[in-house]
Amino acid sequence: AQSVTQLDSHVSVSEGTPVLLRCNYSSSYSPSLFWYVQHPNKGLQLLLKYTSAATLVKGINGFEAEFKKSETSFHLTKPSAHMSDAAEYFCVVSDASYNQGGKLIFGQGTELSVKP
Amino acid sequence: DSGVTQTPKHLITATGQRVTLRCSPRSGDLSVYWYQQSLDQGLQFLIQYYNGEERAKGNILERFSAQQFPDLHSELNLSSLELGDSALYFCASSVRDRGSTYEQYFGPGTRLTVT
Repeated sequence: AQSVTQLDSHVSVSEGTPVLLRCNYSSSYSPSLFWYVQHPNKGLQLLLKYTSAATLVKGINGFEAEFKKSETSFHLTKPSAHMSDAAEYFCVVSDASYNQGGKLIFGQGTELSVKP
Repeated sequence: DSGVTQTPKHLITATGQRVTLRCSPRSGDLSVYWYQQSLDQGLQFLIQYYNGEERAKGNILERFSAQQFPDLHSELNLSSLELGDSALYFCASSVRDRGSTYEQYFGPGTRLTVT
């Protein structure tokens, strides 16, 4: 079975400082991993995806994530936080098992707060 | 704007009632997924359709059903509603059904409140 675990339910940073949101995955297959962001009262927006090409994945708005197979991790980082980054972030794995159609399995989410 | 549309945005109804949520996928996408987001369960996959056929099922209650029409829009029907069905319901679409490398694009969601 595939799953993701987000290690922090809430992360608080100051504007201009680095962001690190941690995610570990469990997968029987070579996983497809994603990070989605949800701003308050908004839908889900895709930040980036990993699909077994480069292990360092660059996404939108300056975010990137590194796939580390040995650590089964897919942490999301950003060098410098902006106030507009305050949102809920979801680490997601796609279920590639037979007859699952690539459904997404979501982590519990990490709420990112950015202080001025 | 993801290109996925959902109607209505908000729905308030009473216990025991039935509602229908509607989703139009992005142009060219054949696959539609439904997800439920609630405070206690988080984001959970409900059901998937691909080109009119049911492809995968998740934690969907028997009181809930869905279909995808020839024009590829999809409807999620929720009946005998209970207070616990109050949640945000998302629709997502993607180009393919399998091939987990294909990202899913999400609509803005329908917020259902059951009173």
